[in-house]
Amino acid sequence: DIVMTQSPDSLAVSLGERATISCKSSQSVLYSPNNKTYLAWFQQKPGQPPKLLFYWASTRESGVPDRFSGSGSGTDFTLTISSLQAEDVAVYYCQQYYITPYTFGQGTKLEIK
Amino acid sequence: EVQLVESGGGLVQPGGSLKLSCAASGFTFSGSTIHWVRQASGKGLEWVGRIRSKAHSYATEYVASVKGRFTIFRDDSNNTAYLQMSSLKTEDTALYYCTTNFDGASYWGQGTLVTVSS
Repeated sequence: DIVMTQSPDSLAVSLGERATISCKSSQSVLYSPNNKTYLAWFQQKPGQPPKLLFYWASTRESGVPDRFSGSGSGTDFTLTISSLQAEDVAVYYCQQYYITPYTFGQGTKLEIK
Repeated sequence: EVQLVESGGGLVQPGGSLKLSCAASGFTFSGSTIHWVRQASGKGLEWVGRIRSKAHSYATEYVASVKGRFTIFRDDSNNTAYLQMSSLKTEDTALYYCTTNFDGASYWGQGTLVTVSS
């Protein structure tokens, strides 16, 4: 199975500051024949199901504010929030969908400092 | 509007069985892949398994921890997917979500809670 490891486990950032979450996969999730990276990012707020933020590592889901960005390739990925807003407090997960079982990272809890 | 509604959760004793349902509407269910994802209270997300469409022979895959105990199947005539769980263990206690993806979007239900306890 592909192991997804996020860092840090928790993060406190001041409003308006940048937040950066890392995700590493134990093997590449790039499928060379189509040059697509099978990596998604989700945001989950308390009492809600997860919400998709990015797929193909960096393609923003419709309606996601552009202060959010996804980047990376191969085995190393980053979710960045350029200017933290109060409504961004949540747990963030990366997930590989390259091969089953589609594994998630352990989650990163983002709070306001 | 795309909707996924899970039901069937409840309290079951270890070793027991339970069948969860995922009722879908607002999209072409028969052409979709349906995933089940679970989340223990205060814990992270765990992908449980998926069922593909008829075009892909209704292929199913499962995470190792449930293989041989859980079965995913679907009834395209009723736009419903199911998760049949047997030989349940206390560690299967979780909120179970069904989810699907298409056109670059991901849709999730609100989940149904399964508690395995004596």
